[in-house]
Amino acid sequence: DVVMTQSPLSLPVTLGQPASISCRSSQSLVYSDGNTYLNWYQQRPGQSPRRLIYKVSNRDSGVPDRFSGSGSGTDFTLKISRVEAEDVGVYFCMQSTHWPPWTFGPGTKVDIK
Amino acid sequence: QVQLVQSGAEVRTPGASVKVSCKASGYTFTAYYIHWVRQAPGQGLEWMAWINPNSGDTKNAQKFQGRVTMTRDTSISTVYMEVSRLRSDDTAVYYCARDGSLDNWGQGTLVTVSS
Repeated sequence: DVVMTQSPLSLPVTLGQPASISCRSSQSLVYSDGNTYLNWYQQRPGQSPRRLIYKVSNRDSGVPDRFSGSGSGTDFTLKISRVEAEDVGVYFCMQSTHWPPWTFGPGTKVDIK
Repeated sequence: QVQLVQSGAEVRTPGASVKVSCKASGYTFTAYYIHWVRQAPGQGLEWMAWINPNSGDTKNAQKFQGRVTMTRDTSISTVYMEVSRLRSDDTAVYYCARDGSLDNWGQGTLVTVSS
């Protein structure tokens, strides 16, 4: 199984400041079709996960443009350009290149300093 | 809009079974696989299985082989997941999600296993 790791696991941020979360996979996530199936999810307290980014860098509809995804191969990053109060929650990366199983990172908890 | 609405919370004793439903709306039910993901209290996300609503084909994660069964009723756009031989460590919120990209999620169903 592909192992996903994230850092940091806890990220206190100041409102209006940037934030960055790293995600690494135990093997390359490039699929035979040339796509890289790495998604980012936000889980606000008490809510279901919500997909923010798919295939590394594509923002879902309705996701603010302060969220961006980048990376390739085994190293990926989610950035929030200016953190807002509504961004508090846990962020997960997930790979669906090598399945089954689909595998998730352990999550990064973002809160306000 | 795409919606996945799950059944309500359940409490079971160890060794029992539980069946959770996930009703889809806002899209063509048979066009997208449905996946199940669970989250133990305070823990991360764990993929469990998928079902193809069109054919009824299913695939489970290795650790759930023999304990998880999925079915669907296309007439009401609903999929079901049954977990048998429940243990205390099966206590979790169970989510259904659409498609291999898990683009839309249900609200979750808390299953508590306790004697």
